Amino acid sequence: AQSVTQPDIHITVSEGASLELRCNYSYGATPYLFWYVQSPGQGLQLLLKYFSGDTLVQGIKGFEAEFKRSQSSFNLRKPSVHWSDAAEYFCAVVTTNAGGTSYGKLTFGQGTILTVHP
Amino acid sequence: GAVVSQHPSRVICKSGTSVKIECRSLDFQATTMFWYRQFPKQSLMLMATSNEGSKATYEQGVEKDKFLINHASLTLSTLTVTSAHPEDSSFYICSAGLAGGGWETQYFGPGTRLLVL
Repeated sequence: AQSVTQPDIHITVSEGASLELRCNYSYGATPYLFWYVQSPGQGLQLLLKYFSGDTLVQGIKGFEAEFKRSQSSFNLRKPSVHWSDAAEYFCAVVTTNAGGTSYGKLTFGQGTILTVHP
Repeated sequence: GAVVSQHPSRVICKSGTSVKIECRSLDFQATTMFWYRQFPKQSLMLMATSNEGSKATYEQGVEKDKFLINHASLTLSTLTVTSAHPEDSSFYICSAGLAGGGWETQYFGPGTRLLVL
């Protein structure tokens, strides 16, 4: 079964510093990968997604992510963090059946809480 | 565009009562809606997939008789927690997929926080 691991439960960075949030997936074929952000008490907002093509994906709010098949990773990056980026970030993969047909079901990682110091 | 609303945003109820949560796609039609549950400091777990006009598909371990899902129109799905107990207290989030747009883009509602006393 597909799975997603976010090794870092909590990350703290200073405002203006660069950021990288790690995500590793377990999947036999080409995965469909997503990064979402959740502010306290709010729903999820899609930052970016990868289906195929260019392995470096640009998203909203200045975020980008790179798909590395050899490392089974899809890490999220931002060159300069703003205080408003403080939130919880979830990596997710779409679940498919053995034949590769997508059910459209998202499997989420455990989430990484980002704290930004002024 | 692509806004999903949930109502209520927060609800407190007594143990044994039923609670209904609505999920609406405000400016698009959603063939499929998904219901997730998020316990404190944990990730989202898919509970069920709701398709307009048909029975919902529940994930393993989710009691379909306890969590009743109705998707009567392309813009509304409801989740009813029947005979709620304190262990049902959680953050319930729905998402909606665009009709004809495929599964790859789901728009999430703001969530409903349920507290069962």
